[in-house]
Amino acid sequence: DQQVKQNSPSLSVQEGRISILNCDYTNSMFDYFLWYKKYPAEGPTFLISISSIKDKNEDGRFTVFLNKSAKHLSLHIVPSQPGDSAVYFCAASVGSQGNLIFGKGTKLSVKP
Amino acid sequence: GAVVSQHPSWVICKSGTSVKIECRSLDFQATTMFWYRQFPKQSLMLMATSNEGSKATYEQGVEKDKFLINHASLTLSTLTVTSAHPEDSSFYICSAREQGGNEQYFGPGTRLTVT
Repeated sequence: DQQVKQNSPSLSVQEGRISILNCDYTNSMFDYFLWYKKYPAEGPTFLISISSIKDKNEDGRFTVFLNKSAKHLSLHIVPSQPGDSAVYFCAASVGSQGNLIFGKGTKLSVKP
Repeated sequence: GAVVSQHPSWVICKSGTSVKIECRSLDFQATTMFWYRQFPKQSLMLMATSNEGSKATYEQGVEKDKFLINHASLTLSTLTVTSAHPEDSSFYICSAREQGGNEQYFGPGTRLTVT
């Protein structure tokens, strides 16, 4: 049973617009959440994280929102750029040093 | 900083042979290293966690005698796939975390194809 779900396998957005990637989780013990970006044939690179004591964390064009009651988090990228085109993975853990449980990823395509 | 390398980046081997994949942290000491496997269009699945100088902890369903993990130094962990079969063909990714750190830094991955 998947504990971290990314229900949209793909997303296409126009350059300059907002990209919203969604992630749901089932394990209420998760209290640390991360987003990774992955290009083909490369390992994931860390983007942004959020602890369950917060509901929002922002870093430049990237903002992660956490809704604990809904067990849902989202990554907003604004404005989207063609270089943002990649697969985005949501991950969750129990504690900031716990094992990471990944979703299946969402492939984002940003069109010029 | 925080660069993790893997070698080889891709490997093709015959069924029944063994393959060793290396994971190195280039500019930091990794007290903990993780090995993941990713099948096409699937999530990264944690296979095992290794701490330097001690035995690896394997996730449920991962055969420790088939996937041998050695973490002999603070900058190197190896994964050996023994008696490889075609179903072992996958993308293997390692990550490393330094002592006291939260982040895992991922290697570029190794594509294994077993014929």
